[in-house]
Amino acid sequence: DQQVKQNSPSLSVQEGRISILNCDYTNSMFDYFLWYKKYPAEGPTFLISISSIKDKNEDGRFTVFLNKSAKHLSLHIVPSQPGDSAVYFCAASVGAQKLVFGQGTRLTINP
Amino acid sequence: DVKVTQSSRYLVKRTGEKVFLECVQDMDHENMFWYRQDPGLGLRLIYFSYDVKMKEKGDIPEGYSVSREKKERFSLILESASTNQTSMYLCAACKGGNTDTQYFGPGTRLTVL
Repeated sequence: DQQVKQNSPSLSVQEGRISILNCDYTNSMFDYFLWYKKYPAEGPTFLISISSIKDKNEDGRFTVFLNKSAKHLSLHIVPSQPGDSAVYFCAASVGAQKLVFGQGTRLTINP
Repeated sequence: DVKVTQSSRYLVKRTGEKVFLECVQDMDHENMFWYRQDPGLGLRLIYFSYDVKMKEKGDIPEGYSVSREKKERFSLILESASTNQTSMYLCAACKGGNTDTQYFGPGTRLTVL
């Protein structure tokens, strides 16, 4: 039972454009959501997070949006840069306990 | 920043062998985790530990055990390796009650023949 789903295995975006990565979840008890970024041969690194009491959190080029009624979150990257090419995982937790990860989306930024 | 190291980047073992994957963190964090990453399945939690000598099962603990004798070290043990345990294994550490700052090691690519 996949509680956190990333339905797009891959996404290709032109440099300078907006990248939008999507994530859906089924457990309404999740109260904290995170995005991690992973380069090949490295472990994932924390990117940005959002609490369930908010609907938007912004950090530089990265913005995460949360739609609780739709159980959906998205990560926007503007403008996209070649160094953003990586696998992105969304994750969720209940009460700051263990994380549940999605399947990941491979983002490729084309010059 | 926390540094999390894993004993091997690549490992090849035979079916039935006992396998030890070691993870060490250098920032005195209470929580440590073992995940496996497989294509199309993302990261799945195998075991985690909130303190020395404490362990909790994650979502897929079958076929695995763990050991945490010291705060900085968390070991994953495959008692009798099988081919379906071929995977990328990732260790992570974070402060207590603060799961957003999980720091990951580089991973161990295990192949079981």
